[in-house]
Amino acid sequence: GAGVSQSPRYKVAKRGQDVALRCDPISGHVSLFWYQQALGQGPEFLTYFQNEAQLDKSGLPSDRFFAERPEGSVSTLKIQRTQQEDSAVYLCASSAAGSGNTIYFGEGSWLTVV
Amino acid sequence: GQNIDQPTEMTATEGAIVQINCTYQTSGFNGLFWYQQHAGEAPTFLSYNVLDGLEEKGRFSSFLSRSKGYSYLLLKELQMKDSASYLCAVRGNQAGTALIFGKGTTLSVSS
Repeated sequence: GAGVSQSPRYKVAKRGQDVALRCDPISGHVSLFWYQQALGQGPEFLTYFQNEAQLDKSGLPSDRFFAERPEGSVSTLKIQRTQQEDSAVYLCASSAAGSGNTIYFGEGSWLTVV
Repeated sequence: GQNIDQPTEMTATEGAIVQINCTYQTSGFNGLFWYQQHAGEAPTFLSYNVLDGLEEKGRFSSFLSRSKGYSYLLLKELQMKDSASYLCAVRGNQAGTALIFGKGTTLSVSS
């Protein structure tokens, strides 16, 4: 596609509910990143994929957070048993191979846990 | 540890010039990025520096000094639409490694 696409755009979840957030990266982009952004803060790194391999998941805040990219394109971020502190914007980003390549962001999935 | 510092807020008037500073301490360095983010929207790429010096792109310029762990974003001929958050981000020394972001600088441009 023309850009990074994320869905749902907005999600309200009851505390304890599981949620799944989807990311369609730019076609052909090898690298895919998930970030969490709280209001008024910069994006915080969660996890990174190169093709289907999850190379870094050091930013995932707890074992309730899980990400996958089984075929090296679409990725899903799953949050189990959501808690209020999970309320944030979840940004997906992708880039072509190579360290100098720009990272392009999607518009994010806004999660509110009530 | 990794630390990226930038001012929280700045204000300026239309037509003016503003400089947003960023200092960083990271384990490895493979480039510094500046992004612009309007409220409720995705961050959009502005500039990339990997070597020391100034990169100019229209009204926006970005400077890097690796020895000082310092960068700035210079915005000229400010317009109201430049009101946004400006994010400084550093990439570590491994290809493909994610960007580490600062908290962002909220710039307000008034008439």
